[in-house]
Amino acid sequence: QVTLRESGPALVKPTQTLTLTCTFSGFSLSTSGMCVSWIRQPPGKALEWLARIDWDDDKYYSTSLKTRLTISKDTSKNQVVLTMTNMDPVDTATYYCARDSSGYYYAFDIWGQGTMVTVSS
Amino acid sequence: EIVLTQSPDFQSVTPKEKVTITCRASQSIGSSLHWYQQKPDQSPKLLIKYASQSFSGVPSRFSGSGSGTDFTLTINSLEAEDAATYYCHQSSSLPRTFGQGTKLEIK
Repeated sequence: QVTLRESGPALVKPTQTLTLTCTFSGFSLSTSGMCVSWIRQPPGKALEWLARIDWDDDKYYSTSLKTRLTISKDTSKNQVVLTMTNMDPVDTATYYCARDSSGYYYAFDIWGQGTMVTVSS
Repeated sequence: EIVLTQSPDFQSVTPKEKVTITCRASQSIGSSLHWYQQKPDQSPKLLIKYASQSFSGVPSRFSGSGSGTDFTLTINSLEAEDAATYYCHQSSSLPRTFGQGTKLEIK
């Protein structure tokens, strides 16, 4: 059974750096074609893709946020970490990690339950 | 960046009705278009991948069609449990993008 779970702080202050961890099971990020993406959703708004890391350590970022984002993986721990610098209240959102893979045409087939992050002083 | 535009933004429908949601891409994306259902306070769930392939465990009343720039999600014989927001998503190119969502209300 494939599962993903996000973890991180529920509250961060403006200008701080946010670090989120996605811990997954049921698949390996060292398998060819496997990827993990981060997606966020501000309250009452649409989904926004943030970043992706691939099995071969290739990394891709949102055009508008690329200067603030870093994605990394620890294959031995089955974890993917996303950092976002210079947090602002507009970054208040639920942050999801999701699996995507070439086997599913890069659709997000399994999602975590999400973690709500509030940016406020 | 590919822009996905869904219509309508909101629809109020009665049970057993047939519902059609459309997603238009700003440029051709082949069949690299996927549909998700998100119920309140839940994570999105994959319904349809690659424009028309049903994901495992999804009820047969959900179907998808289209290619190029125009895509459709159809729900036949709507049920009360289908009240949700539906999103399309393209994986043709990076950055990945989503439509703005279509909220379905059941009368």
